[in-house]
Amino acid sequence: NAGVTQTPKFRILKIGQSMTLQCTQDMNHNYMYWYRQDPGMGLKLIYYSVGAGITDKGEVPNGYNVSRSTTEDFPLRLELAAPSQTSVYFCASRETDRVIPNTGELFFGEGSRLTVL
Amino acid sequence: GQQVMQIPQYQHVQEGEDFTTYCNSSTTLSNIQWYKQRPGGHPVFLIQLVKSGEVKKQKRLTFQFGEAKKNSSLHITATQTTDVGTYFCAGRGGATNKLIFGTGTLLAVQP
Repeated sequence: NAGVTQTPKFRILKIGQSMTLQCTQDMNHNYMYWYRQDPGMGLKLIYYSVGAGITDKGEVPNGYNVSRSTTEDFPLRLELAAPSQTSVYFCASRETDRVIPNTGELFFGEGSRLTVL
Repeated sequence: GQQVMQIPQYQHVQEGEDFTTYCNSSTTLSNIQWYKQRPGGHPVFLIQLVKSGEVKKQKRLTFQFGEAKKNSSLHITATQTTDVGTYFCAGRGGATNKLIFGTGTLLAVQP
């Protein structure tokens, strides 16, 4: 059971380059999230999706874009990379609420470590 | 916007000592979750608390949700070296009802 899979695990970008972080989950979860974690800090929500075709901004969306064309995939696009985007990026998913709304654990991928030089 | 703070930021204990981390939200929460992240790893879900005043135990770990649903705590009894890592609380509440992670507490356990 793969769970949440992120690629690549590591990447070095030059300032101004663009790239896409891939995230796929095989648990048929409707909810998917992208977080970034700076060294020694907590997780900040970048974007999230409540289902295919629906995305919304989180706390720190500037400089990023997302799409959700399928239930399984939730790629994160970085346009014009900047040093401030150096971070570890985590994708997560959770299943649709069953009994109590807005509950349920997040399942995280192993992370993508991005350095922008 | 909603903020979730944790104290302490860092705690160093001798193996066998107890450990507690506290989580405080600027807004009332509908529920709170706790996650553990080992060094170099990803966050792993520990537990969720929903009811006011709720207390849950997992072996040596005790989780509490405050009566006002604005704070929570995690207590570890008799720490072991396997408890090393960063413990995050994550609260859902406020106008957006998004899950907001706390700043985390890094626990170091000396054998």
